[in-house]
Amino acid sequence: GAGVSQSPSNKVTEKGKDVELRCDPISGHTALYWYRQRLGQGLEFLIYFQGNSAPDKSGLPSDRFSAERTGESVSTLTIQRTQQEDSAVYLCASSFLVSNQPQHFGDGTRLSIL
Amino acid sequence: AQSVAQPEDQVNVAEGNPLTVKCTYSVSGNPYLFWYVQYPNRGLQFLLKYITGDNLVKGSYGFEAEFNKSQTSFHLKKPSALVSDSALYFCAVRNTGGFKTIFGAGTRLFVKA
Repeated sequence: GAGVSQSPSNKVTEKGKDVELRCDPISGHTALYWYRQRLGQGLEFLIYFQGNSAPDKSGLPSDRFSAERTGESVSTLTIQRTQQEDSAVYLCASSFLVSNQPQHFGDGTRLSIL
Repeated sequence: AQSVAQPEDQVNVAEGNPLTVKCTYSVSGNPYLFWYVQYPNRGLQFLLKYITGDNLVKGSYGFEAEFNKSQTSFHLKKPSALVSDSALYFCAVRNTGGFKTIFGAGTRLFVKA
């Protein structure tokens, strides 16, 4: 597709379960970002991948959160032992690896922890 | 450290009137500045950016923004608001040469018919 694709669009799970969120970036975009957006709030940076360099994981809130990226393609964000405070929309964005280029966002995964 | 402030949680304007959504930033070095818009249940959409050069930049849907280095501001403007402009607007900053992007908390714009 032409844009950033995220799946699932909605995920409801019980507290304590693990969840995996997927992001398919725009083809050719070597930079990929994950953000968390709590209800009515701004974007909280989680992690970004820049080509083959080591990812910047400085925004991950705890060791329950991890992310991987396969080459310059799909990325998965994994949350282990989910807590109610993990409920949020998780947004993925991608861009060319040029710092003056804007990010292109997917529509997010809405995660609800019961 | 980079930071972005959007001092207004909400801006209300009548259709046809000019609108301004404020943004100030703090960054070491020269900034790249961006504005994004978010409609309900959607991701963010890019509106415009400042890289270098002319302080007034024009973007999508008739929006423009003015970069003011001395005031470290990058306010979003539109001469004549439309009801369809009602949305959540985010300002973002990035260091030149870097990729980590810091977003403001967002400003909700309501345009009344």
